[in-house]
Amino acid sequence: SQKIEQNSEALNIQEGKTATLTCNYTNYSPAYLQWYRQDPGRGPVFLLLIRENEKEKRKERLKVTFDTTLKQSLFHITASQPADSATYLCALDLHTGGFKTIFGAGTRLFVKA
Amino acid sequence: EPEVTQTPSHQVTQMGQEVILRCVPISNHLYFYWYRQILGQKVEFLVSFYNNEISEKSEIFDDQFSVERPDGSNFTLKIRSTKLEDSAMYFCASSEAPGQGNSPLHFGNGTRLTVT
Repeated sequence: SQKIEQNSEALNIQEGKTATLTCNYTNYSPAYLQWYRQDPGRGPVFLLLIRENEKEKRKERLKVTFDTTLKQSLFHITASQPADSATYLCALDLHTGGFKTIFGAGTRLFVKA
Repeated sequence: EPEVTQTPSHQVTQMGQEVILRCVPISNHLYFYWYRQILGQKVEFLVSFYNNEISEKSEIFDDQFSVERPDGSNFTLKIRSTKLEDSAMYFCASSEAPGQGNSPLHFGNGTRLTVT
């Protein structure tokens, strides 16, 4: 079955540094991949989507890369701020007849001032 | 900006009771979803719904669960006979058109269900 793996250990970085989060997937070749942010007690919020024919996508301080050969996406936050502290989720759409988006377990990011 | 709204924010029920969780998706969205998140665990897919029928469901979504779109604005999740292990945060989501690579999910802020 399809599987998404994200680093389960929390990532602690200093304000101003670049945070890099990893998403690996198996047993699937997605046409695109999504990243969401989740704050405690809240629903996930969409951040970025990258298609299989795009190597890189940027939005303000966020950058996502997508390597379909390695089956991996990297999510970068540059010039990180304490307000970036949250859990970041990787998601894939599975089209097995119906519509189903599955999420990785997420990586918790802590940005220290 | 339009948003998905869920009610109630917190529901406490006794084991064996029926609960209905309610959601109002974004008005021009056509695809609807329920997810659950047990405390400290990942967001798990339950079911997707389109054109008044279930599009996809997970193994979690057994006969105890049902979904309905009773009118043009609400989308509900019913659990017929709750179990202790149903305690979780339940998220509703909606999207315009999945599968086209430009239609992410918009989530509500969830209903925390506590089964005692």
